[in-house]
Amino acid sequence: DTEVTQTPKHLVMGMTNKKSLKCEQHMGHRAMYWYKQKAKKPPELMFVYSYEKLSINESVPSRFSPECPNSSLLNLHLHALQPEDSALYLCASSQDPSGKTQYFGPGTRLLVL
Amino acid sequence: AQSVTQLGSHVSVSEGALVLLRCNYSSSVPPYLFWYVQYPNQGLQLLLKYTTGATLVKGINGFEAEFKKSETSFHLTKPSAHMSDAAEYFCAVRNNNNNDMRFGAGTRLTVKP
Repeated sequence: DTEVTQTPKHLVMGMTNKKSLKCEQHMGHRAMYWYKQKAKKPPELMFVYSYEKLSINESVPSRFSPECPNSSLLNLHLHALQPEDSALYLCASSQDPSGKTQYFGPGTRLLVL
Repeated sequence: AQSVTQLGSHVSVSEGALVLLRCNYSSSVPPYLFWYVQYPNQGLQLLLKYTTGATLVKGINGFEAEFKKSETSFHLTKPSAHMSDAAEYFCAVRNNNNNDMRFGAGTRLTVKP
């Protein structure tokens, strides 16, 4: 099973709202990733968690706050977003930080009004 | 740092024709190379990967790619296109000493009946 699940599939939020994106995998992977993908562009790395600890933050604004409660779950907390933050947010996981292959979830399509 | 260049943002072929999507990489150390496919409104699905060993790798849906170190290329091919192959294709590179995956800009494949 190489499945990564993400909820919700779609999210519409105002600039004053607080919402969270969720990602889950049950493959025993110890590295998890958040990517942001704008329309007609490749995914851009936001955060990397290795063994439940944040290892890479690609200079992402603080209105995005990641959290890794346990080895299977990865959250992305959203607060005071801007319309330009509207995008597809993809979660991925790999066996470990040196794991060769990343497996992606279906993504959450976010619209900020 | 590694990088990927995909030649041609849009490729159009007729059903049954050869599919060739080009990918060139740069990396200072032996790379891991990947092709992902993204269907509309979906996440990324791994098509195939090269890590070590045989340079011709076969993936899902009849696709294959050949790692050519001398040409720093990893082109994706399929002998006969199907309508269902219409999607966005991303080439990606990762060094074997970090978990930083870099994606190409993507190539949109259109299949004409």
